[in-house]
Amino acid sequence: KNQVEQSPQSLIILEGKNCTLQCNYTVSPFSNLRWYKQDTGRGPVSLTIMTFSENTKSNRRYTATLDADTKQSSLHITASQLSDSASYICVVSARQDSSYKLIFGSGTRLLVRP
Amino acid sequence: DTGVSQDPRHKITKRGQNVTFRCDPISEHNRLYWYRQTLGQGPEFLTYFQNEAQLEKSRLLSDRFSAERPKGSFSTLEIQRTEQGDSAMYLCASSPGTGAYNEQFFGPGTRLTVL
Repeated sequence: KNQVEQSPQSLIILEGKNCTLQCNYTVSPFSNLRWYKQDTGRGPVSLTIMTFSENTKSNRRYTATLDADTKQSSLHITASQLSDSASYICVVSARQDSSYKLIFGSGTRLLVRP
Repeated sequence: DTGVSQDPRHKITKRGQNVTFRCDPISEHNRLYWYRQTLGQGPEFLTYFQNEAQLEKSRLLSDRFSAERPKGSFSTLEIQRTEQGDSAMYLCASSPGTGAYNEQFFGPGTRLTVL
């Protein structure tokens, strides 16, 4: 069964600190992995997209890693800001017939406190 | 704003009533998706359209749910005889094509509360 699991479920950090969110997946056949940021009451917004051959990808203060062998990904947030408070969702794209299906994790809810 | 828009943003209804949501995708995006998201969970796929054709429906989409995209532009999602379990955020997304790396752009969602 295709699954995406994220940890921790929630996280509280102080402004300026770094944090790392984890994602494990069992999805086949794997196409790519994405991290989305979802502010409360809003739709998800894409942060990064990585193929199996990419190990690291950065977008401003966000750095995503991917280990296709162990089927693990992480999202590292550097020098956190209050505006980073949101849910971060790991999404894996799987090839399905002639199309691609997105499998969503449940997200990690991050709260950045001043 | 040229992003995906959804209307209404919030809907409160009584159990048994019908509701209809609208989604306007990014112009010229061929694919349009509907998702449902409950509190503390990631979005769950409901259905998607390639232009005006509805190509896939999730088993989550019961007979009370129907979606249309009559002219290949905007889409509507109707829920008949709403139940309290239908309370959720309904998200719409669009993408420009069918490739593996085509990004889905999400709208702000419609939050449905069934009393």
